[in-house]
Amino acid sequence: EAGVTQSPTHLIKTRGQQVTLRCSPISGHTSVYWYQQALGLGLQFLLWYDEGEERNRGNFPPRFSGRQFPNYSSELNVNALELEDSALYLCASKKRASRSLNTEAFFGQGTRLTVV
Amino acid sequence: DAKTTQPPSMDCAEGRAANLPCNHSTISGNEYVYWYRQIHSQGPQYIIHGLKNNETNEMASLIITEDRKSSTLILPHATLRDTAVYYCIVRSNQGGKLIFGQGTELSVKP
Repeated sequence: EAGVTQSPTHLIKTRGQQVTLRCSPISGHTSVYWYQQALGLGLQFLLWYDEGEERNRGNFPPRFSGRQFPNYSSELNVNALELEDSALYLCASKKRASRSLNTEAFFGQGTRLTVV
Repeated sequence: DAKTTQPPSMDCAEGRAANLPCNHSTISGNEYVYWYRQIHSQGPQYIIHGLKNNETNEMASLIITEDRKSSTLILPHATLRDTAVYYCIVRSNQGGKLIFGQGTELSVKP
């Protein structure tokens, strides 16, 4: 079974540009999470999508946005890139939980974004 | 979601058991304890999770105290490839995001 896949793996953009990162969840998973990990820092929660809707959002400016498609894949968009947006962007997916079903999130290998 | 406290770093000799502690004194009844690890800027890897009973899988064992206020992740025979940052997270199974703290940086030494 394929894991969570993210594309591209590496990306270099210029300050002020826009970028779109993509995530394909594990088959059967309906939730997608996005995290940002700047160099030497911890994982910061960005966005959570489930069943096509945004369920929760971290403390990031509105220029960070995304969406989830009917096939549960997801995009993260970042507008007006700033130097401090340089980071590893990680996507995770999870099955829908129920009272009797324990679920865990599985992560992709991330997209390394460098803003110059 | 409850907050967790972990030591920032630990060393372990190769072949010995690595015991990584985590305090979660404000955990509530419906919150699970999850452990992930991250090896040098790769995506975090799920290790194990539990509610109140001890759990074991092919990677590790999770020991949760009776009052559930703390837990220990045990890697029974640590190898050099287990060198990573280990994150302890508590979360409702119905909840959404995983909130990562600073974790414990485990160094396995020959």
